[in-house]
Amino acid sequence: QVQLKESGPGLVQPSQTLSLTCTVSGFSLTSYNVHWVRQPPGKGLEWMGVIWSGGNTDYNSALKPRLSISRDTSKSQVFLTMNSLQTEDTGIYYCNRGAYWGQGTLVTVSS
Amino acid sequence: DVVMTQTPVSLSVAIGQPASISCKSSQSLVGTSGKTYLNWLLQRPGQSPKRLIYLVSKLDSGIPDRFSGSGSETDFTLKISRVEADDLGVYYCLQGTHFPHTFGSGTKLEIK
Repeated sequence: QVQLKESGPGLVQPSQTLSLTCTVSGFSLTSYNVHWVRQPPGKGLEWMGVIWSGGNTDYNSALKPRLSISRDTSKSQVFLTMNSLQTEDTGIYYCNRGAYWGQGTLVTVSS
Repeated sequence: DVVMTQTPVSLSVAIGQPASISCKSSQSLVGTSGKTYLNWLLQRPGQSPKRLIYLVSKLDSGIPDRFSGSGSETDFTLKISRVEADDLGVYYCLQGTHFPHTFGSGTKLEIK
């Protein structure tokens, strides 16, 4: 069945770079788009970007200078990299394919 | 960016009673394909979001037909015909027509 699972460091220091992995199963990344969405504690959802089945990407313009999404189709993994992290970037990060969502991974930006 | 305005912010509904949530977009969500990419999601406490409805009115697999979506252009509605205890949580609308995709601010449904 379709599954997505996020993984990452948990704690990142301010000004450092965040690297997250979304490992998928039950489908091919060359056939489906995968989105990243985040949620600050106690707040709403923010769309971050997408990697299309063809490999192209689109980003939230507010994050675009800091954000990169890539993939390794052979490993069924999608990567999110975001630099210059600030405390406002603290939250749960989800990867998503349509109706399917990962469990999310909590990222805390703190020294 | 397209602004998605959701109302009400919260609502308290008794079991068995209907509920309705509105979502208005700052511009038309009809895409160049003619499709309208408007989704509704439910986030239960402590859980990931769950998509209920896509393309305005299509129910996702396993979603009971107590849920329905309607609307067009800039004005959309999610209706629950008879609220059940399991329906509590925060409901979000999401537009996927324009970039960046944008969410409504959420509607918290409580059981009275």
